[in-house]
Amino acid sequence: SQELEQSPQSLIVQEGKNLTINCTSSKTLYGLYWYKQKYGEGLIFLMMLQKGGEEKSHEKITAKLDEKKQQSSLHITASQPSHAGIYLCGADGGGSNYKLTFGKGTLLTVNP
Amino acid sequence: GAVVSQHPSRVICKSGTSVKIECRSLDFQATTMFWYRQFPKQSLMLMATSNEGSKATYEQGVEKDKFLINHASLTLSTLTVTSAHPEDSSFYICSARDWTANGPLHFGNGTRLTVT
Repeated sequence: SQELEQSPQSLIVQEGKNLTINCTSSKTLYGLYWYKQKYGEGLIFLMMLQKGGEEKSHEKITAKLDEKKQQSSLHITASQPSHAGIYLCGADGGGSNYKLTFGKGTLLTVNP
Repeated sequence: GAVVSQHPSRVICKSGTSVKIECRSLDFQATTMFWYRQFPKQSLMLMATSNEGSKATYEQGVEKDKFLINHASLTLSTLTVTSAHPEDSSFYICSARDWTANGPLHFGNGTRLTVT
């Protein structure tokens, strides 16, 4: 079965700083999804990456899928308190039923 | 964008009773929905795949008789936790994908179940 390892597990940054979260898969990634979750709430979709080398940006968040398609990174520029939360990467194992396996998440705290 | 609604958001029940959680796709049809469970400070664990008009597919280790799933229409899946025990207390979250839009999975806001 596919396993996703996220690093770091938690991160505390000062407002305005840049940061990167990594997601490494034990198998080839057919689709990699980044979500954000507030504790006790649902997941908010951020970005979907499907092609090796693909990079997408939304506002101050950029996600990349490496060429070999086994690692993705999420980069936040000039972080704000509103960026705080749990960031989860989810992987599509390539099956037809679109099940996603998730990493354990990265807890981000942004201090004002 | 696609919206998934989950109800209730919180429920407290006594041991031995059953609890039903609803998951609705509000603006799209979902032939497949997924039910996840999340423990504190841990990731989402896929419990089962809910298939409209047919039996759900359960992941290894998930008791199908305890977690009953019904997907009676293209916009509604329900998860019933039967004969609940305190160890069933958890955060349950459903998701669905709008296949026509070729988009990602969208998640409900989750249900916090507490069994006393």
